[in-house]
Amino acid sequence: DAKTTQPTSMDCAEGRAANLPCNHSTISGNEYVYWYRQIHSQGPQYIIHGLKNNETNEMASLIITEDRKSSTLILPHATLRDTAVYYCIVRGRSYNTDKLIFGTGTRLQVFP
Amino acid sequence: DAGVTQSPTHLIKTRGQQVTLRCSPKSGHDTVSWYQQALGQGPQFIFQYYEEEERQRGNFPDRFSGHQFPNYSSELNVNALLLGDSALYLCASSGGGPQHFGDGTRLSIL
Repeated sequence: DAKTTQPTSMDCAEGRAANLPCNHSTISGNEYVYWYRQIHSQGPQYIIHGLKNNETNEMASLIITEDRKSSTLILPHATLRDTAVYYCIVRGRSYNTDKLIFGTGTRLQVFP
Repeated sequence: DAGVTQSPTHLIKTRGQQVTLRCSPKSGHDTVSWYQQALGQGPQFIFQYYEEEERQRGNFPDRFSGHQFPNYSSELNVNALLLGDSALYLCASSGGGPQHFGDGTRLSIL
């Protein structure tokens, strides 16, 4: 079973920030939080990951709470091409725990 | 630099047949994982190959088997196909960092 819970769906206006929450209350100290997204008819696309510090790259920012029980993926200026299913995944570090366990994700709809 | 490539993109089979799907990992990656994605669901982990050996396996029957070649490419084989095997089959490769996915093979069973 997935170790994360996410809202089923969210809407966001184009040009506004999209904030996607994720709960992972049972995360252990050596597990990372990963985010992927899947645009229709494509494979999942890696977005960002973090352990306990906030992270930012060219696609998004990841904010992890101090207790690490939840996180938020931020798309700072959403575009129509960001419409996708977003998956929050907890992943272990070692070779025998690095499989990805997907839940059902959050379907983000960006509207004009 | 090519990413993860999978072939074929679409495939139609009938119940009881066997199928082989192929995956070429991203350059520099040595680990290949396979996932099954049913319609409307998230991908489910099938197994992972590293150094030509199956390293981890998910909750899939022995009808699902795989292979990794010395050049790190991989095959997924499914025997005795069932209607429930209809799905998108995804390959992901990694080299110690995040897994990167191909766009999958859409398998339809009639």
